[in-house]
Amino acid sequence: ETGVTQTPRHLVMGMTNKKSLKCEQHLGHNAMYWYKQSAKKPLELMFVYSLEERVENNSVPSRFSPECPNSSHLFLHLHTLQPEDSALYLCASSQDQAGSYEQYFGPGTRLTVT
Amino acid sequence: TQLLEQSPQFLSIQEGENLTVYCNSSSVFSSLQWYRQEPGEGPVLLVTVVTGGEVKKLKRLTFQFGDARKDSSLHITAAQPGDTGLYLCAGDTRNNNAGNMLTFGGGTRLMVKP
Repeated sequence: ETGVTQTPRHLVMGMTNKKSLKCEQHLGHNAMYWYKQSAKKPLELMFVYSLEERVENNSVPSRFSPECPNSSHLFLHLHTLQPEDSALYLCASSQDQAGSYEQYFGPGTRLTVT
Repeated sequence: TQLLEQSPQFLSIQEGENLTVYCNSSSVFSSLQWYRQEPGEGPVLLVTVVTGGEVKKLKRLTFQFGDARKDSSLHITAAQPGDTGLYLCAGDTRNNNAGNMLTFGGGTRLMVKP
């Protein structure tokens, strides 16, 4: 595997379900991100982890719970979601150091909440 | 809140035509990135511009960063159907603690007809 991978690619869940999204980066980066992409809004940053510590949470509802067990893996645990949470959830990674700006994205998980 | 406004939101042109996409903000960014996203996939980085007034060329694509580092443009010469996709600009506000925070524009959806 190369780059940033995400599983599953598609997920349909009911509002009472609990599920998890997984992201893995094979680039040796030390920072990972979760973004939400909805049809009508720009890409929204949800969570940032650097060196496995969470450094940013843009007022995301508690029904979304991130976990970063090591610098290569990132999870997004979902529970009691709402239909408006249906979106494409993108994971990204970067190397957090001076002069490094690029983020590399995974293919995303298309989530539908019924 | 930092905002990046992209224009136009939608663009449909014939193969061989030229086009320019604009990305504007009232905020100063340490760098600005352009991504291209195809349906069902994550954004793919095209270029990063860092220095005010910088111009970068990638085959038929020309990227320019404004002198004040608040705006950018993407110009495509002789567009081809393979250029079809969602073009996103993203401004980087480096977080001194960790991670680089990207603010995304709303995107320009380009369709190039053969």
